[in-house]
Amino acid sequence: EAGVAQSPRYKIIEKRQSVAFWCNPISGHATLYWYQQILGQGPKLLIQFQNNGVVDDSQLPKDRFSAERLKGVDSTLKIQPAKLEDSAVYLCASSQSSSSPLHFGNGTRLTVT
Amino acid sequence: QKEVEQNSGPLSVPEGAIASLNCTYSDRGSQSFFWYRQYSGKSPELIMFIYSNGDKEDGRFTAQLNKASQYVSLLIRDSQPSDSATYLCAVNMNSGYSTLTFGKGTMLLVSP
Repeated sequence: EAGVAQSPRYKIIEKRQSVAFWCNPISGHATLYWYQQILGQGPKLLIQFQNNGVVDDSQLPKDRFSAERLKGVDSTLKIQPAKLEDSAVYLCASSQSSSSPLHFGNGTRLTVT
Repeated sequence: QKEVEQNSGPLSVPEGAIASLNCTYSDRGSQSFFWYRQYSGKSPELIMFIYSNGDKEDGRFTAQLNKASQYVSLLIRDSQPSDSATYLCAVNMNSGYSTLTFGKGTMLLVSP
C-alpha cells in the first residue's frame, strides 16, 4: 500500500512570498488533515477534510492560509503572504475515517527568511 | 480549550529498563487514544491505539487507559537505544465531529 505522498520536501522563501504544498493521501482514505508542527511542539491541526468538505478549520489563519481538496482526493495548502512565524514542518495525513489512526506523509519543511 | 498534556522530558532510562510515558486530556467525552513515535526530522508513526479502559499490549509496548481519570499512558519494556525518540499522545476529541489533538510530546532517551 502506497503511503501519503507530499511535495516538496523542503522550501525556502522570503517573507511576504507565497508557497503551496501538495498532498496525495492513501487510496480510499476519506479523511485528510493538514498539520503544522513547529520545532519542539506537537502537530497542530490546521484543517480537516471529510471527502472534499471541510469539517474543521478553526485553527487555520484564514487571512493568509487556504486549502482545498478537489474531487475528494489530492489536496493543496497555500500560504500567501508568508510570515517568519510560518517556518515549520507541514504534515499531511489521511485516515479511513475521522476516528481511525492517521497515517502521515514525510512532511514539507518550510523556512521563511 | 480542549487540551492534551504531556511532560516534555527528556525522560532518561537505561537500556533494558521500563519507560513510562504519561498523558492527560481535558475532554471527558474523548473516545480514541493514540501513541505516535517521532524520530528527529521524521514524521510521526503510529505505535498503538486504545479505545477501552484497561491495558492493551503489543510486543514491548503496553497502552493503559483510565477514562475516569482522563489519563492514558504508554509503557515500553526492555527499552532499547533505538526507542530514543519523541512520543506523542493524541486524543480524538468529539466536537460534533472527531478531530485528533496532539500533545507536545515527551522526549525519551535510552542510554546503552
